[in-house]
Amino acid sequence: GENVEQHPSTLSVQEGDSAVIKCTYSDSASNYFPWYKQELGKGPQLIIDIRSNVGEKKDQRIAVTLNKTAKHFSLHITETQPEDSAVYFCAAASSAGGTSYGKLTFGQGTILTVHP
Amino acid sequence: DAMVIQNPRYQVTQFGKPVTLSCSQTLNHNVMYWYQQKSSQAPKLLFHYYDKDFNNEADTPDNFQSRRPNTSFCFLDIRSPGLGDAAMYLCATSRDLAGPTTQYFGPGTRLTVL
Repeated sequence: GENVEQHPSTLSVQEGDSAVIKCTYSDSASNYFPWYKQELGKGPQLIIDIRSNVGEKKDQRIAVTLNKTAKHFSLHITETQPEDSAVYFCAAASSAGGTSYGKLTFGQGTILTVHP
Repeated sequence: DAMVIQNPRYQVTQFGKPVTLSCSQTLNHNVMYWYQQKSSQAPKLLFHYYDKDFNNEADTPDNFQSRRPNTSFCFLDIRSPGLGDAAMYLCATSRDLAGPTTQYFGPGTRLTVL
């Protein structure tokens, strides 16, 4: 089955700096890669996603890049703010059938702290 | 606003006492998922329903059951909760499996087992 590795496990930045979180996946059939933000005591909230037919997607301060050859994708947050502090999860899913069909495999999570 | 709603937000039960968690959705999505999330860990899929078809993950204990009486509602039943079942339980929905399509999560139910 799919395996997703996420790094770093914790990330501390100053307000205004950029933050980058990286994930690698193992199943070449994976073709959908969402990123979720989870605040304390709340459910994960989708912040951006990318499909394997594009290499980059941007939404205001957030961007995701995908390298299918190397099987890795990254989340980039620019001009970080204290309210960006949360746990971020990457995930991968496949539409190609098999045991991973339609299911999300999550990375281990990154605790992002943005200091004012 | 269309959304995924979970009730209750906090549930306390005693060791061995059955408990039911509820999820409802106004998105009219075909797929509903239940995840277990323990502290500092990623969500772990327990099972999902595609319409009325139930799909259990291979490593989900028999102690966990689910019901989906209609499109909007899905329940998680824990027949005999143990201390190790204390966790956040998350419900999620997606329009379909094919695509794959985006999963939308509810706020979760925090389960405490005494």
